[in-house]
Amino acid sequence: SQQGEEDPQALSIQEGENATMNCSYKTSINNLQWYRQNSGRGLVHLILIRSNEREKHSGRLRVTLDTSKKSSSLLITASRAADTASYFCATDALDSSYKLIFGSGTRLLVRP
Amino acid sequence: DAGITQSPRHKVTETGTPVTLRCHQTENHRYMYWYRQDPGHGLRLIHYSYGVKDTDKGEVSDGYSVSRSKTEDFLLTLESATSSQTSVYFCAISESGPNTEAFFGQGTRLTVV
Repeated sequence: SQQGEEDPQALSIQEGENATMNCSYKTSINNLQWYRQNSGRGLVHLILIRSNEREKHSGRLRVTLDTSKKSSSLLITASRAADTASYFCATDALDSSYKLIFGSGTRLLVRP
Repeated sequence: DAGITQSPRHKVTETGTPVTLRCHQTENHRYMYWYRQDPGHGLRLIHYSYGVKDTDKGEVSDGYSVSRSKTEDFLLTLESATSSQTSVYFCAISESGPNTEAFFGQGTRLTVV
């Protein structure tokens, strides 16, 4: 079964609004990553947050991590139509393997 | 863009035939991954490699095998293709495994008829 599960599965907002996506995972982790996928393309890395960090920023992106709740959130501020994409969280497996496990993703539609 | 190339980009094959997908990188990264992407399932890990000749199974490895005889190439073989293996396959590379960012190829769309 997948380590991370994103919520909501789909999100539709107006340009200029903020978009928040959540990721829950099942086991302890060393780090959590967020990726973006434009339709039909490969994934692109957005940000990595380590288990000893609580918040991280990159441009209009803000990621939080709550290890006690095994959850993370990705906030995109002042969204643009170009932010329309699917967003995935990914974690390591903490089982001494080198697996990188992805969730099922959130589809974001930003309406102009 | 990271130097990662998947081939072929599209393939249609018949049920029961073997199929090999290739992932080639020019970054000299140690870790390589094969995923499949299906609607409603996100990306599921098939197999991964943590060095030449070092591979391990992922979440959905049944019906798939892999080989890595040199750093730059990671091959995924469907031993006897089935319709349930119709999917988009992505290769990813990473310098230091799951603790660093991964770079993805453009994907291979495989249809098994």
